[in-house]
Amino acid sequence: KAGVTQTPRYLIKTRGQQVTLSCSPISGHRSVSWYQQTPGQGLQFLFEYFSETQRNKGNFPGRFSGRQFSNSRSEMNVSTLELGDSALYLCASSPGTGALTSSYEQYFGPGTRLTVT
Amino acid sequence: DAKTTQPTSMDCAEGRAANLPCNHSTISGNEYVYWYRQIHSQGPQYIIHGLKNNETNEMASLIITEDRKSSTLILPHATLRDTAVYYCIVISFQGAQKLVFGQGTRLTINP
Repeated sequence: KAGVTQTPRYLIKTRGQQVTLSCSPISGHRSVSWYQQTPGQGLQFLFEYFSETQRNKGNFPGRFSGRQFSNSRSEMNVSTLELGDSALYLCASSPGTGALTSSYEQYFGPGTRLTVT
Repeated sequence: DAKTTQPTSMDCAEGRAANLPCNHSTISGNEYVYWYRQIHSQGPQYIIHGLKNNETNEMASLIITEDRKSSTLILPHATLRDTAVYYCIVISFQGAQKLVFGQGTRLTINP
């Protein structure tokens, strides 16, 4: 099976702009989670989508949003970008159903490195 | 979810077994231990998980102490490609389905 893909891989934006990142999960996986990784805060959970519904949300401001499509592909959007939003944004997929243990066997994509100037 | 404590860094010689410890003294009876690793410039990779029995797969072995307050991830024959940050995560299925990563252990495999 193909792995999790994320586009674009690199992005440079200016403060105040908005950005949309895309994630295609492993075929058959219905759960998509997003994480932010920065040198200072490490890996932090943003949100999780399952069957087009946000199932869990981390402690991030409302400028961070996401959605999931019927084919399980997901996008996340960050509006009014700030310098502190510069980070590696990681998407992870898991089956989302079945044994709960499988929900935590998440398969990560390579990430999108966002730089805000 | 229970808090975990891991050494900040470790070194291991190529070809030797790498033993990565994790302390989770406040773990509850129904909480699982998961291990992930992150190789530089890549997304994290799931390695293994366990509840109370020792587990082994093609990547590693997980040894959980009888009192479940600590565990050890064993990479039996470490290679240079095993150089990565290793994260030990305790999961409670009663909470949100998310992974909470700590600082992990930076494992360096030396030739």
